[in-house]
Amino acid sequence: AQTVTQSQPEMSVQEAETVTLSCTYDTSENNYYLFWYKQPPSRQMILVIRQEAYKQQNATENRFSVNFQKAAKSFSLKISDSQLGDTAMYFCAFRSGYALNFGKGTSLLVTP
Amino acid sequence: DAGVIQSPRHEVTEMGQEVTLRCKPISGHNSLFWYRQTMMRGLELLIYFNNNVPIDDSGMPEDRFSAKMPNASFSTLKIQPSEPRDSAVYFCASSKLAGVSHTQYFGPGTRLTVL
Repeated sequence: AQTVTQSQPEMSVQEAETVTLSCTYDTSENNYYLFWYKQPPSRQMILVIRQEAYKQQNATENRFSVNFQKAAKSFSLKISDSQLGDTAMYFCAFRSGYALNFGKGTSLLVTP
Repeated sequence: DAGVIQSPRHEVTEMGQEVTLRCKPISGHNSLFWYRQTMMRGLELLIYFNNNVPIDDSGMPEDRFSAKMPNASFSTLKIQPSEPRDSAVYFCASSKLAGVSHTQYFGPGTRLTVL
């Protein structure tokens, strides 16, 4: 069974600063995808970024980038130039079949 | 394009009542997923449909839970009878295909409270 671990239940960052959220996973699969989803207070689950395991290049989406370390089974999310609207729960998720396996989430608070 | 649509957004009911949650996937998506989110268990998959056919319902907690997908644009998740421990946020998600490379897009969720 695949497990996803987010070791930081809560984090805080000041506006315009950079923050990194950690995620590790455990799998014996070789072909899989990793995702970061954002859940703001509205409860909507919003895809932030995704990474294909076979790609060595780290994915980036504007202010969001990942550090994917396949051998270490690590998949961290870096948010640059943090904005107040980034305040949300962030979930790391793993997919090798049809189901998404989610971590417990990290609550990120961006302060002025 | 409209995203995944769920209704109702909030549902409050009493123990023993029947509850029906509804989902309209993104047009053209062939795979549909129901997830449940609780504080204790986080997000977990309940059931997965491909081309309107239930493929894996091993996540459905009990026989009180049932799900249907009568056509490509509509799915329901029913709880009968409901219990307080069913209180959770229920998400519907869809993807173009079931393959691992296809991103799942989530609806806004239904917050269910069973008193």
